[in-house]
Amino acid sequence: AQSVAQPEDQVNVAEGNPLTVKCTYSVSGNPYLFWYVQYPNRGLQFLLKYITGDNLVKGSYGFEAEFNKSQTSFHLKKPSALVSDSALYFCAVRPNYNQGGKLIFGQGTELSVKP
Amino acid sequence: SAVISQKPSRDICQRGTSLTIQCQVDSQVTMMFWYRQQPGQSLTLIATANQGSEATYESGFVIDKFPISRPNLTFSTLTVSNMSPEDSSIYLCSVEDWARRNTEAFFGQGTRLTVV
Repeated sequence: AQSVAQPEDQVNVAEGNPLTVKCTYSVSGNPYLFWYVQYPNRGLQFLLKYITGDNLVKGSYGFEAEFNKSQTSFHLKKPSALVSDSALYFCAVRPNYNQGGKLIFGQGTELSVKP
Repeated sequence: SAVISQKPSRDICQRGTSLTIQCQVDSQVTMMFWYRQQPGQSLTLIATANQGSEATYESGFVIDKFPISRPNLTFSTLTVSNMSPEDSSIYLCSVEDWARRNTEAFFGQGTRLTVV
């Protein structure tokens, strides 16, 4: 079965330190990969995506993500965390359209950045 | 990018009643979806809203409970019928342009529903 896993329910980071939010997936073929962020009482906001090409993709608010095909991972990173980065982060995968093509979401990771 | 207006943003409803949520997009889109996000959980796809025809429901969701309309390419509604406290969730509208396969999904701000 196709799935996306975010192994950490919560990640705690001190402001100014680097952060990593992990994501692994189990989808055949060459899926498209996405990260979204959800602030309290808000919808999901798009951060970045991997479609093809360079394994390191850069997105909004200084976030980047590294695609690793052999490990089927797409970890979200930021060199220096801000308190305002505290939010709920979702990894999502879109399988090939011949497999349905609908987004599959991870369970989410709560990021807490302390001053 | 698409701008999505979702109404209402929140509501508190009595059990046994129904609530209709509206989703308006500022441009024509090929695909519209409705998701449910239960407290502390991830997004679960309810259905794909098909323009001019019946919605396509995911396993565990039925039309009688979650009727959906999509009269045109920019508007859709989701009704939560005969509500119970278990329906308390955030309901999210999402749009995607499958004519451009590598594009991301856009989401409305969500409707926070509390059933008492």
